[in-house]
Amino acid sequence: GAVVSQHPSWVICKSGTSVKIECRSLDFQATTMFWYRQFPKQSLMLMATSNEGSKATYEQGVEKDKFLINHASLTLSTLTVTSAHPEDSSFYICSARVVGEKLFFGSGTQLSVL
Amino acid sequence: KQEVTQIPAALSVPEGENLVLNCSFTDSAIYNLQWFRQDPGKGLTSLLLIQSSQREQTSGRLNASLDKSSGRSTLYIAASQPGDSATYLCAVQTQGGSEKLVFGKGTKLTVNP
Repeated sequence: GAVVSQHPSWVICKSGTSVKIECRSLDFQATTMFWYRQFPKQSLMLMATSNEGSKATYEQGVEKDKFLINHASLTLSTLTVTSAHPEDSSFYICSARVVGEKLFFGSGTQLSVL
Repeated sequence: KQEVTQIPAALSVPEGENLVLNCSFTDSAIYNLQWFRQDPGKGLTSLLLIQSSQREQTSGRLNASLDKSSGRSTLYIAASQPGDSATYLCAVQTQGGSEKLVFGKGTKLTVNP
């Protein structure tokens, strides 16, 4: 099946720094990718929809200036958590859909902000 | 607002048992329902996808059913194995052309040898 690669798998950073997470579709082109977040013991929640060549669409309550999304090519979307704080500590995971097929997910990134 | 609930939150069974995981959703207007497996450090793997017009899907030892009118789905795992130990997530794609998936909190399954 299709492969979605996500890096890094985990990251620990100091409060106030920015963290970039990459999501790549390895063997298919993805015009749309999705970014989800999961807090401990909570459901995965959609943060934003990343559209190649245009602005991302953010879900209600997600700050677009804090969570910067760039989808510059058909195989790469990046999520940058700017000025990260401890409350941003979470599991972030991206996904992409092959046309007519199921949704494929990356392996996720566990972010810990000290 | 669509809400997805999964029961039980955790389940521990001996190897070889057949088991059922439950998922319910509040709004029956869905495009499809999908069951995922989540392994630590490995992200999510899609197991079965049931379109809104379908009633069940099967893959190997897995069988998923969908009763859209009552807002329920079950995932049946036959002859469970220790390798089936993982968290199983249910997610619905809502209507309206949105790709958004609404997830349940999952059921953590442990199959003991």
